[in-house]
Amino acid sequence: SQQGEEDPQALSIQEGENATMNCSYKTSINNLQWYRQNSGRGLVHLILIRSNEREKHSGRLRVTLDTSKKSSSLLITASRAADTASYFCATINSGGSNYKLTFGKGTLLTVNP
Amino acid sequence: SQTIHQWPATLVQPVGSPLSLECTVEGTSNPNLYWYRQAAGRGLQLLFYSVGIGQISSEVPQNLSASRPQDRQFILSSKKLLLSDSGFYLCAWSVRGGYSGANVLTFGAGSRLTVL
Repeated sequence: SQQGEEDPQALSIQEGENATMNCSYKTSINNLQWYRQNSGRGLVHLILIRSNEREKHSGRLRVTLDTSKKSSSLLITASRAADTASYFCATINSGGSNYKLTFGKGTLLTVNP
Repeated sequence: SQTIHQWPATLVQPVGSPLSLECTVEGTSNPNLYWYRQAAGRGLQLLFYSVGIGQISSEVPQNLSASRPQDRQFILSSKKLLLSDSGFYLCAWSVRGGYSGANVLTFGAGSRLTVL
C-alpha cells in the first residue's frame, strides 16, 4: 500500500524558477527519502532526512520534514531543463521492517527551457 | 564501485508464457536485494526482498516468484504470465547492516515487460 503521497501530481515551470514538491505520509517514520526518475529509467536517490531532522540541504536541493504534520517538501532552486523528471518520496515506517521502503506515486516535474 | 545490472531491458511476452528477469550486483557483498514493479503513471510496488541467499520475503501474493541462488543474484520469475503482469520492473540493492532505518536503495535501469 502507498505510504507517501506527493503533491502536485504534475508541475510545469520555466528554467530558473524554483520547484516545490510536497509529500504527505500516514504513519510514524524513521526517515524519509527523495528519489528522482528520468523517463524510462531507474530511480536515483537524492537525499535522506531523518525523523529528528527538520531541514537538509544538498546542492540545489532543500528538504524539510514536519513530523507533526506528517509531511515533507522538496525544493529545487534555480531549476534547469535537466531537472525534468519524476520525483518520489519514500518512507520506512518506524516499528516496521527496515527493509520495506514504500514509495509514493510521484510528482512529474517539467522544466521548460 | 558498485554496479547493478538488470536484463533484459525490454521484452514482449504472450499471455501464459514464462518469465525470467535477472539482476546482479557487483562490487559489494551481502546486499539486500529488491524487486519493485511500476505500473504506468504509478508509484512503485514492492514485490519481493531478500536479505540473504535463499531468503525471500514476498509482499504481494500473485503469480510471480523470486529466487536468490547466489549472494549477488536476484531472479524474478513466473510460470504463466497474465496481462496484468505488464509493467516496469526494477531491481534494487541496499547495504546490509547500514544505519538502522536508513535503507538507501540503488536501482537498476529497469525491465519493461509487455504481456499481450
